[in-house]
Amino acid sequence: DAEITQSPRHKITETGRQVTLACHQTWNHNNMFWYRQDLGHGLRLIHYSYGVQDTNKGEVSDGYSVSRSNTEDLPLTLESAASSQTSVYFCASSLAGGPSEQFFGPGTRLTVL
Amino acid sequence: AQKITQTQPGMFVQEKEAVTLDCTYDTSDQSYGLFWYKQPSSGEMIFLIYQGSYDEQNATEGRYSLNFQKARKSANLVISASQLGDSAMYFCAMRGSSSNTGKLIFGQGTTLQVKP
Repeated sequence: DAEITQSPRHKITETGRQVTLACHQTWNHNNMFWYRQDLGHGLRLIHYSYGVQDTNKGEVSDGYSVSRSNTEDLPLTLESAASSQTSVYFCASSLAGGPSEQFFGPGTRLTVL
Repeated sequence: AQKITQTQPGMFVQEKEAVTLDCTYDTSDQSYGLFWYKQPSSGEMIFLIYQGSYDEQNATEGRYSLNFQKARKSANLVISASQLGDSAMYFCAMRGSSSNTGKLIFGQGTTLQVKP
């Protein structure tokens, strides 16, 4: 069965370190998204990609970067982790447009000390 | 700018009763889509139901229905015959025509607790 996976599921890191969160989907979706979830804010879009070599900034992109070298993967990198980036991170993918739902990964809980 | 508002931070409902979770939206797009997701305590995001702005009928999926009132810009989720397993956080989300490749804007969520 097709799926979307994230790794690691839990991560503790220190302020200033570079961290990369992995996202892998086997739906063959062109669209991939990264969100962060914080209490009181729902899910907020960090970065998204419409296909290979395409990346775009979302609502809360400062301090994050992504790259898309193939259809299946969209890794999220925190260049220099900050305590404000402690959050739960969700990756999602979808077909383009219409009623296509977004399929979400299980989430990564990141703690920055 | 597009915006989703969920005004009920928390709701209680008795098992087997129906409950309505409110969602209002703001957009200048003529074509848009509205989604509801469920997030149980385990954390995963589960798609429940979709309503397109041009759909004439309210969407239904099993015990879930979407009460779509376009003029009022509301897209309330109705859960009939609540079950204990319905206890979760529920998110309303919107995709506008200007982002037809799927980018979603989420509301802040409503926590539903079903009492036995």
